Amino acid sequence: AQTVTQSQPEMSVQEAETVTLSCTYDTSESNYYLFWYKQPPSRQMILVIRQEAYKQQNATENRFSVNFQKAAKSFSLKISDSQLGDTAMYFCAFMIWGAQKLVFGQGTRLTINP
Amino acid sequence: TAGITQAPTSQILAAGRSMTLRCTQDMRHNAMYWYRQDLGLGLRLIHYSNTAGTTGKGEVPDGYSVSRANTDDFPLTLASAVPSQTSVYFCASRDLGSPNEKLFFGSGTQLSVL
Repeated sequence: AQTVTQSQPEMSVQEAETVTLSCTYDTSESNYYLFWYKQPPSRQMILVIRQEAYKQQNATENRFSVNFQKAAKSFSLKISDSQLGDTAMYFCAFMIWGAQKLVFGQGTRLTINP
Repeated sequence: TAGITQAPTSQILAAGRSMTLRCTQDMRHNAMYWYRQDLGLGLRLIHYSNTAGTTGKGEVPDGYSVSRANTDDFPLTLASAVPSQTSVYFCASRDLGSPNEKLFFGSGTQLSVL
């Protein structure tokens, strides 16, 4: 079975700092996708960034980037120049290529302090 | 574009009563999903449907049933609610033919079973 582990239940940083959220996963598959979702207090689930396992280059979306280490099965999210609006729950998720199920981690509650 | 509409937004339900959570999408996505979100557990898949007329069990299907009579609607029914079904329920959909595997989420239903 595939599992996703986020070992940091809560984190907090000061505005403008850089923060890294950790995520590890377990699978025997070689083709899959990894995602980070953001859930602000509004409860809406927002896709932050996505990575295909076959791509060696780390995905980047503006201030958000990932460090994808396939051999280590690690997929951390780095938020640069953090903003108050980044305060949210962040979920790491995994999907086998062609499968139906998106498997989520437990979530990390991130607070950006002014 | 509405995307995915869930109803109700929130509900308090007496244990033993039945309840149907509604989910409608206007994107003509073939796949739809129901997740429940619980603190410390992330989102867990309850049931899914790859296309109208077919459904499948996810990670935590017990106590829930679904139907997919058409492409747009995917209701989730609790036949006899129990307090452990207190949770936030998310409906999601995606286009299985899309190359980006993106999942679209509704705004969630907060259900409290007393």
